[in-house]
Amino acid sequence: NAGVTQTPKFRILKIGQSMTLQCTQDMNHNYMYWYRQDPGMGLKLIYYSVGAGITDKGEVPNGYNVSRSTTEDFPLRLELAAPSQTSVYFCASSYNQGIYGYTFGSGTRLTVV
Amino acid sequence: GESVGLHLPTLSVQEGDNSIINCAYSNSASDYFIWYKQESGKGPQFIIDIRSNMDKRQGQRVTVLLNKTVKHLSLQIAATQPGDSAVYFCAEMNGGSNYKLTFGKGTLLTVNP
Repeated sequence: NAGVTQTPKFRILKIGQSMTLQCTQDMNHNYMYWYRQDPGMGLKLIYYSVGAGITDKGEVPNGYNVSRSTTEDFPLRLELAAPSQTSVYFCASSYNQGIYGYTFGSGTRLTVV
Repeated sequence: GESVGLHLPTLSVQEGDNSIINCAYSNSASDYFIWYKQESGKGPQFIIDIRSNMDKRQGQRVTVLLNKTVKHLSLQIAATQPGDSAVYFCAEMNGGSNYKLTFGKGTLLTVNP
């Protein structure tokens, strides 16, 4: 039981490049989330999903896209990277609508130069 | 203490002392609260939760207090240890918001040996 696995752990992108942050969980959780964390700040919700085939915007969705084709996977896509997207990205999942909290991945540190 | 809109507050304590970390939440409709611990380079880790119909909940060495009148949450850590050094976040959830968690900015706890 690996929990929530994120890849890659680190990435440097040039402005305008694209990339996909991978997230997979093996706990059969219905709910999955993407957060970004800027230095000295809390986590802000980018997108979330309440089940396969269903996604919705969070607080800061601009510049990102997601898909949820399976229960296990919830990739986050950056189409045209901008310096403002330099951040640490966390994927999380939960079983019972967030009760008892989320299980977080270890994060992806992204730098856009 | 901690409140959305302020830079990251810090708390420094001596090993063995008790620590109190505070959090002011904003949404009076929030009905579920969680404290997370985030160690350097890792994702947030669930510590303890409390529902809005409770004032106090105890775990192992940790106690969460909820004052709904003033929208204040606190985390008490007994006999603080060096391994407790981390950033602590409170998070609130409103069941009517599709069970999304909203995070505060965090408090950096440093335990001095």
